Amino acid sequence: QVQLVESGGGVVQPGRSLRLSCAASGFTFSSYNMHWVRQAPGKGLEWVAIIWYDGTKKYYAESVKGRFTISRDNSENTFYLQMDSLRAEDTAVYYCARDTRTLAKGVGWFDPWGQGTLVTVSS
Amino acid sequence: EIVLTQSPGTLSLSPGERATLSCRASQSVSSSNLAWYQQKPGQAPRLLMYGASSRATGIPDRFSGSGSGTDFTLTISRLEPEDFAVYYCKLFSYWTFGQGTKVESK
Repeated sequence: QVQLVESGGGVVQPGRSLRLSCAASGFTFSSYNMHWVRQAPGKGLEWVAIIWYDGTKKYYAESVKGRFTISRDNSENTFYLQMDSLRAEDTAVYYCARDTRTLAKGVGWFDPWGQGTLVTVSS
Repeated sequence: EIVLTQSPGTLSLSPGERATLSCRASQSVSSSNLAWYQQKPGQAPRLLMYGASSRATGIPDRFSGSGSGTDFTLTISRLEPEDFAVYYCKLFSYWTFGQGTKVESK
C-alpha cells in the first residue's frame, strides 16, 4: 500500500540545523510531486515546500525561504527537508505528503500524508 | 492570492446531528478546485473530499460537499463519534489551507 514515513525530528537549539527524511513506498515515487506541510502546536496546517517529481522545481513558503531546502533522491524513493537557522517559530509537527497527480507541473491535492515528525526548537 | 476563510471556528454538536461547515474564497473559483481534509486528534490529516463534491477513497456517504463561486459547504449528515475532528479546506493549484473548523462533541 501507499505509505510515507517521516524521520529526523527532534529537539534542536535555535540557529542549528536538522534534516528530515520522508521514505515513500507502494507507488512510483519518481512520478509525483512531493510536499512538506507543518503544524505548530495547537495551530492549523501550513504548507512549507514542494519539489517536482523530477526535482527540477522547488518552491517554498515565505516563512522558510532561504533557510530550508527540499530535495529528493528518486533512486532511494526518499525526499528531504534540510532546515537551517532554525527558530523557535519553526517548532511544529512536520508532515510529508504526496501530490495526487502524476508528472504534474503544479500543486494538486495532498494524499496520502505521513504520520508526522515533531521538531522542537528550544534552547 | 486567494484566501480561504472557514466558519465557524468551532462547531459543538452531538452524535447524530447534522454538521454544516463553510469555506469562503476571497475570489470566485471553480467548484472542481476545492478539497476538504479531515484531521482527527493526534493523527495526520487525510483527504476527505475533492472537486468540491467527490469523496476520497473510503469516505462514507454521510459526507457531502457543495458550493460554487466563493462559497463552499461540507455537510456531515449524521455525526458519528469518529467524525469529531478538525476540517480544513484547500484549493487546487494553491498551497494554502483555510484556518480550519473544529467539530467537537457537545
